[in-house]
Amino acid sequence: EAQVTQNPRYLITVTGKKLTVTCSQNMNHEYMSWYRQDPGLGLRQIYYSMNVEVTDKGDVPEGYKVSRKEKRNFPLILESPSPNQTSLYFCASSKQGITTDTQYFGPGTRLTVL
Amino acid sequence: GDSVTQMEGPVTLSEEAFLTINCTYTATGYPSLFWYVQYPGEGLQLLLKATKADDKGSNKGFEATYRKETTSFHLEKGSVQVSDSAVYFCALSDRKNTGKLIFGQGTTLQVKP
Repeated sequence: EAQVTQNPRYLITVTGKKLTVTCSQNMNHEYMSWYRQDPGLGLRQIYYSMNVEVTDKGDVPEGYKVSRKEKRNFPLILESPSPNQTSLYFCASSKQGITTDTQYFGPGTRLTVL
Repeated sequence: GDSVTQMEGPVTLSEEAFLTINCTYTATGYPSLFWYVQYPGEGLQLLLKATKADDKGSNKGFEATYRKETTSFHLEKGSVQVSDSAVYFCALSDRKNTGKLIFGQGTTLQVKP
């Protein structure tokens, strides 16, 4: 089944404790990205990757890192999480990242930073 | 910058009622437009899309028409069901080919039996 998977689905952590949220897709998509969803704000893009070893900042990249060493994986790293990063995170992928592409979303990771 | 504005929710309807969720956008050039749906506890799924002016996207009884003159992409369904209860997001993808989607704030729809 074609899908985007994320792990963990739920995470509660404390301020400053490094964490990684994994994302994997099995559709051989070149493009992957991360969004955060906050009430009243919709989804906002954090980082994106057009292909392996190519990443760039989205609209809200502060406090996050990403890497794209393999086509299928695109982990999101929070090196020193803070409470304002408490949010619902979604990974997404699409064939090429062009304007007309459909993006496929993972099930989400709910992160709470205490 | 580019932006999407959706009508405020929540929207509460009885089963078989007609649904309209308004969406307007601001963008330079001619973006692609999307409606995504998020069912409780799940990720976003594409509901429909339109990639050029006057295109009509349709899926599962939902429709939306890309109106360049009014910069709108309103979502409609003739007869809603309880299973349509979800959060609906309007989004655009600009012509810069960064793949970024710009989302509205989402509209919660609750359909009562």
